Amino acid sequence: DGGITQSPKYLFRKEGQNVTLSCEQNLNHDAMYWYRQDPGQGLRLIYYSQIVNDFQKGDIAEGYSVSREKKESFPLTVTSAQKNPTAFYLCASKAESSYEQYFGPGTRLTVT
Amino acid sequence: AQSVSQHNHHVILSEAASLELGCNYSYGGTVNLFWYVQYPGQHLQLLLKYFSGDPLVKGIKGFEAEFIKSKFSFNLRKPSVQWSDTAEYFCAVKDGNNRKLIWGLGTSLAVNP
Repeated sequence: DGGITQSPKYLFRKEGQNVTLSCEQNLNHDAMYWYRQDPGQGLRLIYYSQIVNDFQKGDIAEGYSVSREKKESFPLTVTSAQKNPTAFYLCASKAESSYEQYFGPGTRLTVT
Repeated sequence: AQSVSQHNHHVILSEAASLELGCNYSYGGTVNLFWYVQYPGQHLQLLLKYFSGDPLVKGIKGFEAEFIKSKFSFNLRKPSVQWSDTAEYFCAVKDGNNRKLIWGLGTSLAVNP
């Protein structure tokens, strides 16, 4: 059953700690994306990767980092430098030949 | 910079009412247009898309959207909504040169049974 998995569904951290959100896809898609969704603010792009070992900053990359060592994996680290990390994080992927992005179920991160 | 505007942030309808959600974008060149839907507790999924050709696009679950180039609009419509249409709806645009989607802020639709 192809798709995108994000784990965990809910994540709680103390302020000052880095935390890594997992995103795995078995769709054989080249491109992967990380978005942040806040109420009333739509989806904002954090980072994206078009190919393994390459990634670009999105619109709100400050305080975040990513890696793309494998085609199927695109983990996002929320660092202590992110001023307002509590949010719903969505991972997506896209085939090279398509414009449609497929989304995972999301991870809700709460930092206190 | 390109932008996408969704005019209605919150919409409340009764079942069987007609729906139209507005979406306008700012880019003047060739665009690809999308409507995504996020049902409560579910993944964000594609509702419909426009790339070229017939400006009236049919999507899943009886939704349709019309691309009006002169108005830079891609409004979503459904003639008769159901309670199960309660969800958040996002309009997104990709211009010809950009690898990224530009997203609207979303419209929250609540359908009362």
